[in-house]
Amino acid sequence: AQKITQTQPGMFVQEKEAVTLDCTYDTSDQSYGLFWYKQPSSGEMIFLIYQGSYDEQNATEGRYSLNFQKARKSANLVISASQLGDSAMYFCAMRPNNAGNMLTFGGGTRLMVKP
Amino acid sequence: SQTIHQWPATLVQPVGSPLSLECTVEGTSNPNLYWYRQAAGRGLQLLFYSVGIGQISSEVPQNLSASRPQDRQFILSSKKLLLSDSGFYLCAWYKAGTSLEKLFFGSGTQLSVL
Repeated sequence: AQKITQTQPGMFVQEKEAVTLDCTYDTSDQSYGLFWYKQPSSGEMIFLIYQGSYDEQNATEGRYSLNFQKARKSANLVISASQLGDSAMYFCAMRPNNAGNMLTFGGGTRLMVKP
Repeated sequence: SQTIHQWPATLVQPVGSPLSLECTVEGTSNPNLYWYRQAAGRGLQLLFYSVGIGQISSEVPQNLSASRPQDRQFILSSKKLLLSDSGFYLCAWYKAGTSLEKLFFGSGTQLSVL
C-alpha cells in the first residue's frame, strides 16, 4: 500500500523568505505521479504542482517548485518569496500506477506566513 | 472548460437521519470520480471511487454508500447518519494525461451530525 508522510504539522516562515515543505512517499510502483495541493481556510483544494516519476527535471509553477529526489522517495515543495496569502494547509499526494488513478494524501502541513 | 459542482456547502443533520450529497461534472465525459472525507485538521481519506456508470469501489468500510446513476453524476448517501460521519466531504474528478494530469475538487460539503 502507498503511504505519504508529511513530518511537519506546522511551520512558520517570514514574509518574502523561501520555505520548504517536506514530503516522503512509499511505493513499489515504477510509474507514479506526485502532487501538491493548497487548502486555505475556505476549504477549497487548490492544485499547485505535479511531478511525474519519469520526469527528469523538477517541476516548477511560478513561485512553486518541487524538489524531486527519486532515490530518496521525497517530493518536497519549495515556495519562494512567501506571501501572507500563502498561509494555508498544504497536502502532498501520490497517484500510484493503478486503473483507478486514486490519489493518496499525506496528513498535511499548516504553513503560517509572518508579516 | 471542465467544472465540478458539489452541494450543499454546509449541512447539519441529526443522528439517524439520511444523507444525500450530490456532485456533477461538466465539460468532460467518462471521468473517474471520487469522494474524499476530511476530518478537522487532518488529511483526506478516500471513501469511494468510480470509473464508470454503476461502477463503485469502496476503500473504507463504513456507514456510507455511493452511486453513479449517470456518467457525470456521483452521489454519496447514508441511510442513518452517525456522529462519526461528521466531516468535510469533497468530490473530485481526475484528468489524466502527461504533464496536465491533476485531481479537480468540488468546493466541499461541511457535514455536522448532531
